[in-house]
Amino acid sequence: DGGITQSPKYLFRKEGQNVTLSCEQNLNHDAMYWYRQDPGQGLRLIYYSQIVNDFQKGDIAEGYSVSREKKESFPLTVTSAQKNPTAFYLCATMLGGTDTQYFGPGTRLTVL
Amino acid sequence: GENVEQHPSTLSVQEGDSAVIKCTYSDSASNYFPWYKQELGKRPQLIIDIRSNVGEKKDQRIAVTLNKTAKHFSLHITETQPEDSAVYFCAASSRGNTPLVFGKGTRLSVIA
Repeated sequence: DGGITQSPKYLFRKEGQNVTLSCEQNLNHDAMYWYRQDPGQGLRLIYYSQIVNDFQKGDIAEGYSVSREKKESFPLTVTSAQKNPTAFYLCATMLGGTDTQYFGPGTRLTVL
Repeated sequence: GENVEQHPSTLSVQEGDSAVIKCTYSDSASNYFPWYKQELGKRPQLIIDIRSNVGEKKDQRIAVTLNKTAKHFSLHITETQPEDSAVYFCAASSRGNTPLVFGKGTRLSVIA
């Protein structure tokens, strides 16, 4: 888990603004994931990437975008099209050929 | 796609008693079932997992059982302690970097 960093820890955004959440890993893991967590809703998958330059939509991709230009990095952009972005965002990674996902410390986004 | 149901949503037990959390899944192809513990404001941490080729796995005070026929698996915590208080999530996936599908979580409170 210590090999996954997310920044910033807290982020405040005004309505209508795009913001980008950072996720970096030094574990040499192939797959990376973004989840959104709301109270009582568990963890919902936004986007995931199994290899560089490729990614797939999860269950709640609308209003979000990602890129995977480097193996170590999987940034998430929350666009103004996301109507209720206030949530706790978690990045996770997984080594290819295994099942175990490891989570970063999370970013708490609040829309003012 | 996979759907994971988790019960109960909240659970209170006296210190020293046992706690049981149950999950059901819908996709018969799922064969990996992890459990995560999340303390307030922290990242989810893997506490135990089980694969479909075994029916039970134990790690000190924690055990997981799996019934593939009925498509349900359970987390058992014995001799509960106040530090066991947290939100617990079950999840399911099939092999090959497939994203985990999470239950909505159980908030466990251990009362001293």
